[in-house]
Amino acid sequence: SAVISQKPSRDICQRGTSLTIQCQVDSQVTMMFWYRQQPGQSLTLIATANQGSEATYESGFVIDKFPISRPNLTFSTLTVSNMSPEDSSIYLCSVESGATYEQYFGPGTRLTVT
Amino acid sequence: AQSVAQPEDQVNVAEGNPLTVKCTYSVSGNPYLFWYVQYPNRGLQFLLKYITGDNLVKGSYGFEAEFNKSQTSFHLKKPSALVSDSALYFCAVLPPRGSTLGRLYFGRGTQLTVWP
Repeated sequence: SAVISQKPSRDICQRGTSLTIQCQVDSQVTMMFWYRQQPGQSLTLIATANQGSEATYESGFVIDKFPISRPNLTFSTLTVSNMSPEDSSIYLCSVESGATYEQYFGPGTRLTVT
Repeated sequence: AQSVAQPEDQVNVAEGNPLTVKCTYSVSGNPYLFWYVQYPNRGLQFLLKYITGDNLVKGSYGFEAEFNKSQTSFHLKKPSALVSDSALYFCAVLPPRGSTLGRLYFGRGTQLTVWP
């Protein structure tokens, strides 16, 4: 299994500002995923981030709003730009164990936009 | 289109009783199936999976799940519930390789409450 940490664990931000969330994995992984979990709802995939290539975004999510970096095989960042209250969510990163198909999740970043 | 349904938002059971959390899916091909659990203020934890083989799979904390291909279901079960099992449970499917790699589709979650 992989151990994943995220920073910050939570934040309260003002609308119009940006927040960068960091995701660190204790082993090298090819694919990293960013999810959003809005209050009382399921997980929605934002994008898939592979090292050395641009992230692939799901329908409804765009790079200008959610830029992602993947500088190496153990680290990724997600930025939530020009935030509005509708961006208040838990943001989770995950990685896949290619051999077992299991995905491992970070503890999440709880974002509140006021 | 790929989809996962968890028809119950909430399941309540008494401690010691059996529990079932339902999941059905609509995915082309033969998907891989997963259950994850989310405790308050924590990330998702892997519980169990079905890839191939025996339709009854066993996972962490005494949970098991039964894959039924004809009914496209993957219900989560436990013979005797504990209060500590109270959490949010997510069913997820991974479409066959060749489609979007690694892309998990999640159900909306079922809140399990086990009362003493």
